[in-house]
Amino acid sequence: TQLLEQSPQFLSIQEGENLTVYCNSSSVFSSLQWYRQEPGEGPVLLVTVVTGGEVKKLKRLTFQFGDARKDSSLHITAAQPGDTGLYLCAGHSGNTPLVFGKGTRLSVIA
Amino acid sequence: NAGVTQTPKFQVLKTGQSMTLQCAQDMNHNSMYWYRQDPGMGLRLIYYSASEGTTDKGEVPNGYNVSRLNKREFSLRLESAAPSQTSVYFCASSGRGHFNQPQHFGDGTRLSIL
Repeated sequence: TQLLEQSPQFLSIQEGENLTVYCNSSSVFSSLQWYRQEPGEGPVLLVTVVTGGEVKKLKRLTFQFGDARKDSSLHITAAQPGDTGLYLCAGHSGNTPLVFGKGTRLSVIA
Repeated sequence: NAGVTQTPKFQVLKTGQSMTLQCAQDMNHNSMYWYRQDPGMGLRLIYYSASEGTTDKGEVPNGYNVSRLNKREFSLRLESAAPSQTSVYFCASSGRGHFNQPQHFGDGTRLSIL
């Protein structure tokens, strides 16, 4: 069974601070997706990374896929209250459905 | 754009009652999924349907059944609800190439079993 571990589980920061959350596994994934989920809603895709070492930017969010395709990170610069939510990573490998991590719950305080 | 629509949004059941959660997508996606989300447990896959006419068990299928009624609709049935099935249930769909494609989620059904 492939597992994705996310850390930290909870994170509470002040507006304007930077933060990094991590998604780690002992398994290799062919691609990895990041989702954000807001209260009362379903997860929404932020980005997909497919190449080892790949870096993608989405405004103040920077996503990196590890060289060995076993881990990924999400860095947020100058966090804003609108970034508050549950961040989920999900890995794909072979002919099996996505495996989701348990998520990092981020709270950005104004 | 409706995307993925789940009904109902909220439901309270008594132990032993049965219920069907409905899900429909309007994106012509081949694959559909049912998840449950519990505090501290993340999203756990209950059942999925890679294409119309097929269904497969996920990580936590016990106590549930599914029906892929047509390409648009995928329902989840609890035959005899138990308090352990209290959860938020999400339906999702994905397109061609299914498992590596982004999943589009509904807004969930919040189910309480008393």
